[in-house]
Formats: sequence, structure tokens, C-alpha cells
Amino acid sequence: NAGVTQTPKFQVLKTGQSMTLQCAQDMNHNSMYWYRQDPGMGLRLIYYSASEGTTDKGEVPNGYNVSRLNKREFSLRLESAAPSQTSVYFCASSAGTAGKGYGYTFGSGTRLTVV
Amino acid sequence: EDKVVQSPLSLVVHEGDTVTLNCSYEVTNFRSLLWYKQEKKAPTFLFMLTSSGIEKKSGRLSSILDKKELFSILNITATQTGDSAVYLCAVETGTASKLTFGTGTRLQVTL
Repeated sequence: NAGVTQTPKFQVLKTGQSMTLQCAQDMNHNSMYWYRQDPGMGLRLIYYSASEGTTDKGEVPNGYNVSRLNKREFSLRLESAAPSQTSVYFCASSAGTAGKGYGYTFGSGTRLTVV
Repeated sequence: EDKVVQSPLSLVVHEGDTVTLNCSYEVTNFRSLLWYKQEKKAPTFLFMLTSSGIEKKSGRLSSILDKKELFSILNITATQTGDSAVYLCAVETGTASKLTFGTGTRLQVTL
């Protein structure tokens, strides 16, 4: 019962370093999402992929890139990390059928610190 | 721009009290409203609401949606310390099921 698997769980980067957060789901979901959560705030959408082969910007896309490698995997890349990107990152997937929001499944999160 | 506002931001109550959490929204292409509970990890699903006036209930928790006035409430009766968490309201929009979250209400239940 893996659901959505995110790696790594924790990461510390120096300013200017790059890294890729990995996300994989095994529920055959069409849509996948990357959110970030900052202290005292709800989750904000960075990028999403409504289906394999498509990606779109969310509310806070600057400084990030994504790749929908196949139906299972959706990665998030920070090309040049900045302290403002210190956050907890959640990957999620859903069947993508409108009105079926209960089908959202979240990964366990990646706590990223940029120093 | 889609917007979801929750109130209060934080709340401290005694065990056994009843609490009401509020969520208002302004979005385009509304599909559903969802409530989540978050305890230091990923949000866990509580309710999904799509129709006005129909109460959803699960144990001591219940929720209702008013699509005319654009708000929802989450009620918790006979609160317990295990209810201490951040409660997030999110609105699902568009065909890709994007979620717009409020900032959450931090609930602390004390003995």
C-alpha cells in the first residue's frame, strides 16, 4: 500500500546548489502535483501535471522546474536553491476527475533547508 | 486569483468543548470543498463537500457547505486532546482538480 512515495525526506542545501525531489505513485492516477508549505501557511501549488506528457504552472512556480517522466513519476527540480525555498514540499496525486477531490493522496513530505 | 480564507487562525479550548471552524472562498470553476487534518505530516482527508446544505458527518466531526454564501464550517463536538491539529480547508477547481488551500486553523485542546 505504497500510495505516493517522496524522496528524500530531509535535505539541506547550500545556496546555489541544485537538487531534484522525486515522487512516484502506484495508484494509476492521471494527475500529479507539487505543493510547498511554509510555517503558518496552507499548501501552495507549485506545478501540476493533469496527465502524462503535460505540465502547468501553479501559484508559485518561480525557481522550479518539473518533469512528468511517465504516468507514475513527477519530479521537481531546484536549479539554483535559494533560502526562500526553505519549506516542506508535498507531492500528491489524484484521479484527476473533477469533483473527486477526495481521491487526493499526499506523500509524506520533504523537509528542505537552504542555508 | 482563487482565494480561500479560514478563521480563526488559532483556537485554544478545553476538552469537551464544541468548536466551529470557518472557511470562505472566492474561486472560479468550483468543483468541491475539502477539509483536512494535519498533524506534523501530510494532510489527512476529512470531508469532501459538493452540494449546499447537505451535512457530512463522521463521529464527532461534521461539516456543511453554503454555495450561495461561499463558505463552509467544520464542527467538532466533545473535543479531545487528540483533536489538536491544524485544520485545512481547500477548494478544488478546474478539470485538473487543483486545490487552493487556506492558511489553516490551529486547534489546541487542553485538559
